[in-house]
Amino acid sequence: NAGVTQTPKFQVLKTGQSMTLQCAQDMNHNSMYWYRQDPGMGLRLIYYSASEGTTDKGEVPNGYNVSRLNKREFSLRLESAAPSQTSVYFCASRPNPDRATEAFFGQGTRLTVV
Amino acid sequence: AQSVTQLGSHVSVSEGALVLLRCNYSSSVPPYLFWYVQYPNQGLQLLLKYTSAATLVKGINGFEAEFKKSETSFHLTKPSAHMSDAAEYFCAVSEYGGFKTIFGAGTRLFVKA
Repeated sequence: NAGVTQTPKFQVLKTGQSMTLQCAQDMNHNSMYWYRQDPGMGLRLIYYSASEGTTDKGEVPNGYNVSRLNKREFSLRLESAAPSQTSVYFCASRPNPDRATEAFFGQGTRLTVV
Repeated sequence: AQSVTQLGSHVSVSEGALVLLRCNYSSSVPPYLFWYVQYPNQGLQLLLKYTSAATLVKGINGFEAEFKKSETSFHLTKPSAHMSDAAEYFCAVSEYGGFKTIFGAGTRLFVKA
């Protein structure tokens, strides 16, 4: 029972390089999310997809793009990485965008931009 | 806008002592509140949630939280700390409309032998 799977787990990029973080869930959830976690700042929402075919900006979307490829997969792309994007990135899913439902998280991707 | 504030970025307790992690919320509508735990190098997992049923909510690993509307609080407690409780704990509120969850800054719990 995999839940939410993120790849890669670790990545080092040079400033200006691009990359895509992959996320897949096998729980048939409708909603998917990308967060970044920085010390002392909790989790901040980058983008979310309330349902297949829709995406919306969260709190900190600048410098990122997303694609909801299908119901299972939600990818996050950094077009031109900057040191300020050094962070731990988490993908999460929820059964539906209902206030009472909790989020299920992946293990995270630790990204360093040098 | 809804928000949560966690008081204390770090809390240290002795093994066997009471654990109290504080969370206050701000919401113009009845809130739905969550506590998540994050063990080192892992993702977050749900400890417990309040969704307007019983005000005292019991979660996994012996944790519980009490919703107090008059104090706008949802503090997390455990009667007796165990070494395995050392982790970071996040309080969160589900945004009105349901699409987003807003997280607090987190409290790291240290447990001393």
